[in-house]
Amino acid sequence: GQNIDQPTEMTATEGAIVQINCTYQTSGFNGLFWYQQHAGEAPTFLSYNVLDGLEEKGRFSSFLSRSKGYSYLLLKELQMKDSASYLCAVRLPGGSYIPTFGRGTSLIVHP
Amino acid sequence: DGGITQSPKYLFRKEGQNVTLSCEQNLNHDAMYWYRQDPGQGLRLIYYSQIVNDFQKGDIAEGYSVSREKKESFPLTVTSAQKNPTAFYLCASNLAGTDTQYFGPGTRLTVL
Repeated sequence: GQNIDQPTEMTATEGAIVQINCTYQTSGFNGLFWYQQHAGEAPTFLSYNVLDGLEEKGRFSSFLSRSKGYSYLLLKELQMKDSASYLCAVRLPGGSYIPTFGRGTSLIVHP
Repeated sequence: DGGITQSPKYLFRKEGQNVTLSCEQNLNHDAMYWYRQDPGQGLRLIYYSQIVNDFQKGDIAEGYSVSREKKESFPLTVTSAQKNPTAFYLCASNLAGTDTQYFGPGTRLTVL
């Protein structure tokens, strides 16, 4: 089976930096997504990593190491509005383009 | 304004009743998906469709049915055979051959 692990919950302080980890053991790998989901709302796309390394988009960065089955999402200069769930999802080989999702990490940012 | 719409946002039904959740997109996307999300759980795939008049079961299709008569629409019926239907249901779509899915706002179904 496919296994994608993320911490269930994290807390951080406004203005700080937080790193949300995701490890995966899957039968193949084509890419890894990060989505942000506020409570009761739709997930919104943050990043998609296919190759190893760090990709930066403003305050958010995503890192991938395929050999280690590991990714992280780095959030800098945290704001209260960053309080949300962060979903890690792996796209497996094959033509269906359907990602397999982890359980998500609930991030709570406090003043 | 392109996007994915789901209606209604909140839905209440009595146990034993079938209920249909709407999903419409005007993004001209080929593929559409239905996911279920429970508290503390990731998104679990119910059904997906990559072209009109064709759909495939996902990981948890039992107790659900779908149709794809038009490219823009992919309604999901939650039948009385679904043992625990109370959940948050998300519809998504993407262009064929691309990786990123776009999600609708979701429907929260509560069965009383």
